[in-house]
Amino acid sequence: AQKITQTQPGMFVQEKEAVTLDCTYDTSDPSYGLFWYKQPSSGEMIFLIYQGSYDQQNATEGRYSLNFQKARKSANLVISASQLGDSAMYFCAMREHNTNAGKSTFGDGTTLTVKP
Amino acid sequence: DVKVTQSSRYLVKRTGEKVFLECVQDMDHENMFWYRQDPGLGLRLIYFSYDVKMKEKGDIPEGYSVSREKKERFSLILESASTNQTSMYLCASNSQGTRNEQYFGPGTRLTVT
Repeated sequence: AQKITQTQPGMFVQEKEAVTLDCTYDTSDPSYGLFWYKQPSSGEMIFLIYQGSYDQQNATEGRYSLNFQKARKSANLVISASQLGDSAMYFCAMREHNTNAGKSTFGDGTTLTVKP
Repeated sequence: DVKVTQSSRYLVKRTGEKVFLECVQDMDHENMFWYRQDPGLGLRLIYFSYDVKMKEKGDIPEGYSVSREKKERFSLILESASTNQTSMYLCASNSQGTRNEQYFGPGTRLTVT
């Protein structure tokens, strides 16, 4: 079964608007972490934001925030005030702390295009 | 700044050749990873290493081997390249710890003809 599901292969957003990229996950490990990475067309993956399963608050990093709904097993990335430079592929990833020896599982990615 | 470098950005090899992809990180990270990235399939883990000379198979190890003789260097080896190994290969590293993100290299686009 797919451990990380990103249901939106492609998304469009108008510059300066907010956009939500969906991520759902599947795990029976009570302790895990969720990561979002950005991959511009240049190819290099860049870490954006992290959410731990026991973190009390949703993570935020500048214009990025993570809408973490534990019971629904979703960890959606919200980008506020989109910029043209946000056009990229975005990956959601999960690391299970007890069961997977430090390995991360990645989703298939969502390609975001920001329109001027 | 953490830096992960990969030996080549683009590589073209012939079927049956032995191929070496090199990855070096400069932040003394314990963990190193090799992924392949294909359209619509996301990143799939080939192998990872959590210490010198230690390695673990990932999700798709068939047709690949790895070597980690020094902490900073992790090599991916295609023993006999095949056309279905044409892909983007990404190396990553991180330090031990549950919250630690991975740092990625720029990738090697390998074409096997």
